[in-house]
Amino acid sequence: GDSVTQMEGPVTLSEEAFLTINCTYTATGYPSLFWYVQYPGEGLQLLLKATKADDKGSNKGFEATYRKETTSFHLEKGSVQVSDSAVYFCALTHNQGGKLIFGQGTELSVKP
Amino acid sequence: GAVVSQHPSWVICKSGTSVKIECRSLDFQATTMFWYRQFPKQSLMLMATSNEGSKATYEQGVEKDKFLINHASLTLSTLTVTSAHPEDSSFYICSARETTGGNSPLHFGNGTRLTVT
Repeated sequence: GDSVTQMEGPVTLSEEAFLTINCTYTATGYPSLFWYVQYPGEGLQLLLKATKADDKGSNKGFEATYRKETTSFHLEKGSVQVSDSAVYFCALTHNQGGKLIFGQGTELSVKP
Repeated sequence: GAVVSQHPSWVICKSGTSVKIECRSLDFQATTMFWYRQFPKQSLMLMATSNEGSKATYEQGVEKDKFLINHASLTLSTLTVTSAHPEDSSFYICSARETTGGNSPLHFGNGTRLTVT
């Protein structure tokens, strides 16, 4: 079945460092791909998405490119801030009722 | 933007009692809502898909008699944890789909922290 694999956390960075969180997926066809962010004690918020190969999703300085050839959707940010500390989830969905399949989440901690 | 309200945000109950969690779409209609469960430092596991006016579709391994889901209107779905036990303690999150189609993003509630003593 479909699955999403993320790099294990926690990831600890200093403020203004470059961030990469790896995400790869296994799926049939052409799923849509998402990154969600969860701040402590809260639900999930959509960070960015991409619906077809080579699409680049971007929001709040974060970017991710849908790479069909490598089945990847890595999240990047050029300069992280303390306020970016959260858990980040990579996810996919097909046109089949809209169920989201999540990766295991990667905790990011940014130190001042 | 679309808002999903989940209530209560936290609840403590005694073992053997039942707890109801509400999920409301505040400014849009949602024919489909999803209920997830999240264990500490783990991913979200889909429990069931709630469809307005029909029975919920449960994922494999989820006890439908224990986790009762009702989706009586286009803006409200409820999850009732019946005869709760300490192992049911978890973070429950609902989400709602604003439009049909798999490419539409889901809008999530802020979750409900359930603690069963």
